[in-house]
Amino acid sequence: QQQVRQSPQSLTVWEGETAILNCSYEDSTFDYFPWYWQFPRESPALLIAIRPVSNKKEDGRFTIFFNKREKKLSLHITDSQPGDSATYFCAASAVNYNQGKLIFGQGTKLSIKP
Amino acid sequence: EAAVTQSPRSKVAVTGGKVTLSCHQTNNHDYMYWYRQDTGHGLRLIHYSYVADSTEKGDIPDGYKASRPSQENFSLILELASLSQTAVYFCASSLRGSQNTLYFGAGTRLSVL
Repeated sequence: QQQVRQSPQSLTVWEGETAILNCSYEDSTFDYFPWYWQFPRESPALLIAIRPVSNKKEDGRFTIFFNKREKKLSLHITDSQPGDSATYFCAASAVNYNQGKLIFGQGTKLSIKP
Repeated sequence: EAAVTQSPRSKVAVTGGKVTLSCHQTNNHDYMYWYRQDTGHGLRLIHYSYVADSTEKGDIPDGYKASRPSQENFSLILELASLSQTAVYFCASSLRGSQNTLYFGAGTRLSVL
């Protein structure tokens, strides 16, 4: 059972547009949602994270929108740049459930066309 | 800056052979993890450890063993390598649990023939 799902699998947008990456989860006990990004032939790295006490987390051009009732979140990348081309992983964990293990989605491959 | 070093960076193994992947961190982190990455599956947790001399099973532990002889070192052992274990393996560390930032190593590309 896939506890964290991402869509789309791949996404292409033009430079300057807003890219929207979606994520949904199964378990309502999840209380920490990081996004990791991975450039080709590199290792994943933390991009931005949110906890459900807030519906929105912003860091420059990157914003997470969180909907606890629908168990969905999305990552918006405004003014997309070619350097944003990477695979983005949504993840989730619960401090008091499942030994706090971090569960990753299958990723969205984002390509930015110049 | 956090440093997680994996060795080897790539390896070709024969089916049925033993493979050991090594990981060393200089972050003074308590937690260490082994993840496997396959196309279309994201990152899946194999084993993790929160203290030396103790390891825990992750979500896909079958066919893998782990060893944490010290805070700095964490190994992943494939006693009888199989074709299905061909993948990229990432080691990571975090200060405490998964709700802290995970710092990943560069990865080991394993091909089992």
